[in-house]
Amino acid sequence: SQTIHQWPATLVQPVGSPLSLECTVEGTSNPNLYWYRQAAGRGLQLLFYSVGIGQISSEVPQNLSASRPQDRQFILSSKKLLLSDSGFYLCAWSHAAVFGGETQYFGPGTRLLVL
Amino acid sequence: GEDVEQSLFLSVREGDSSVINCTYTDSSSTYLYWYKQEPGAGLQLLTYIFSNMDMKQDQRLTVLLNKKDKHLSLRIADTQTGDSAIYFCADVGYYNQGGKLIFGQGTELSVKP
Repeated sequence: SQTIHQWPATLVQPVGSPLSLECTVEGTSNPNLYWYRQAAGRGLQLLFYSVGIGQISSEVPQNLSASRPQDRQFILSSKKLLLSDSGFYLCAWSHAAVFGGETQYFGPGTRLLVL
Repeated sequence: GEDVEQSLFLSVREGDSSVINCTYTDSSSTYLYWYKQEPGAGLQLLTYIFSNMDMKQDQRLTVLLNKKDKHLSLRIADTQTGDSAIYFCADVGYYNQGGKLIFGQGTELSVKP
């Protein structure tokens, strides 16, 4: 069966510091991968998605970047964190290019607090 | 672009039925989803319905789809305190290589004993 991991679970970082959040998927190959942010108001904002190694699409301009160095690894980064980067970051995966492959499965999330 | 709307709050008594409503704008949707988020956790896929169906039942959960009105609902029978959570409705928006989900703002269900 497939599982999705995120770490760290919680992170407190000062403004201006770098960020690296990691997401890995087990039990499937060539998944589509997604990064979402959930701000305090609860709405989910899609930040990035990836359909393959090295292929990243950005949904909104921001202070963050994403990379996919391996098939089942998705990394969210920032060179300098802003206060507004605080939130709950969720990684998700879906089966690629199959009918019904839109179904997304979410990881446990990383709570980021920027002070 | 596509949009999904939900009411923000619902409060029910334990044992009652809960009905969470959602409207969407994209008429080409193939699947519509319900996710549940408990405090501090990720989103858990609850159920989904294929667009050529009007209803889907899964134990205490009943999903109703009215394509004409672009209205989706989730009914939870015999609601328990463990059902307290935020429920997200999601529609599918497409890009070249696949589908991405468009989420509503979530409905916070509060179950009172």
